[in-house]
Amino acid sequence: ILNVEQSPQSLHVQEGDSTNFTCSFPSSNFYALHWYRWETAKSPEALFVMTLNGDEKKKGRISATLNTKEGYSYLYIKGSQPEDSATYLCAPPPYGQNFVFGPGTRLSVLP
Amino acid sequence: DVKVTQSSRYLVKRTGEKVFLECVQDMDHENMFWYRQDPGLGLRLIYFSYDVKMKEKGDIPEGYSVSREKKERFSLILESASTNQTSMYLCASSLRGIINEQFFGPGTRLTVL
Repeated sequence: ILNVEQSPQSLHVQEGDSTNFTCSFPSSNFYALHWYRWETAKSPEALFVMTLNGDEKKKGRISATLNTKEGYSYLYIKGSQPEDSATYLCAPPPYGQNFVFGPGTRLSVLP
Repeated sequence: DVKVTQSSRYLVKRTGEKVFLECVQDMDHENMFWYRQDPGLGLRLIYFSYDVKMKEKGDIPEGYSVSREKKERFSLILESASTNQTSMYLCASSLRGIINEQFFGPGTRLTVL
């Protein structure tokens, strides 16, 4: 089973703070990396799908970078807002293999 | 908008019962997935299907089976429910290929007494 790690497990930030967290995965046999946001009482929603080393994606105040050679991706949130509170999941399925999700980073943004 | 629906939001069953969880998607997606989510663990893949009547085991298939008789519907079956199958179950669908984002249903919280 692919070993996917996310850090930190949880964090609390103040409204307006910028924050970032990490998804680590084995760099061999990489194919794509997905980021999802899962708000309480809702379904997970896709944020980004990244495929190329050096990829950088942005959606509003959220952005992500990808380093396939060293096996990590960073997710950044600029100027966190209470509505950003959620669990952020990454999934780096290797080519031809099953989806494996990381355990997630639970973000709480305090007003 | 893609819509993935699950038959129940909450379900309570007794040990030994046969349980059916239904998932329906309306976007003609080839891939469909069943996951379970437990505290402290990520989403874990139980089974997935990439076509009608096709199925592949995920990481934790033991105690489960699936059925996909129609493209839009993917059923998860607990042949004999046990207390360790108490969990949140999520269904998802996507276009063919693992590069495509998955769209998730609202989840079914199953309690087995």
